[in-house]
Amino acid sequence: ILNVEQSPQSLHVQEGDSTNFTCSFPSSNFYALHWYRWETAKSPEALFVMTLNGDEKKKGRISATLNTKEGYSYLYIKGSQPEDSATYLCASSGGGADGLTFGKGTHLIIQP
Amino acid sequence: NAGVTQTPKFQVLKTGQSMTLQCAQDMNHNSMYWYRQDPGMGLRLIYYSASEGTTDKGEVPNGYNVSRLNKREFSLRLESAAPSQTSVYFCASGPSNQPQHFGDGTRLSIL
Repeated sequence: ILNVEQSPQSLHVQEGDSTNFTCSFPSSNFYALHWYRWETAKSPEALFVMTLNGDEKKKGRISATLNTKEGYSYLYIKGSQPEDSATYLCASSGGGADGLTFGKGTHLIIQP
Repeated sequence: NAGVTQTPKFQVLKTGQSMTLQCAQDMNHNSMYWYRQDPGMGLRLIYYSASEGTTDKGEVPNGYNVSRLNKREFSLRLESAAPSQTSVYFCASGPSNQPQHFGDGTRLSIL
């Protein structure tokens, strides 16, 4: 079982500020790294899936990077808005069809 | 709408009762998964199915059984519910190098 760690656990950010948080995962037996946005009472919504070292992906104000050699990924949010408030989940896959190992998430609160 | 459909959305059981959570996907995915979500624990994999007719244990399989009835459906059964199984259950489908598609979740309370 892969051990995926996310930090910080929670984060308060002023509206308009930019922020980032971290996901670390075992670099051995790595296949794919996922980021999801999760709002209370809803299902997780996929943001990015990255597989290659050095991958960078962007969706609007949100972007992510991947370092498979050292086993970490960063998620960046530029110019935070209240609607960005959510829990951001990172998950790693070791390949095959054996599911994802999730971190415990970073709970982001954007303060007006 | 295409996606993953879970039923029921809510359920309250008494200790010792049994029930089956249903999941169906219409995206022709081979891989399907059951996760549980508990406060402070993130999502943990209960069971998965790589293809029709195959199932395997995940991180927390004790107290559960699964059936991959066909390519579309993957059900999760609690034979004798325990309070420790109070949780939110999510079904998902998709290959592990692609975004997973999640159902809306089942909130299960065991009294």
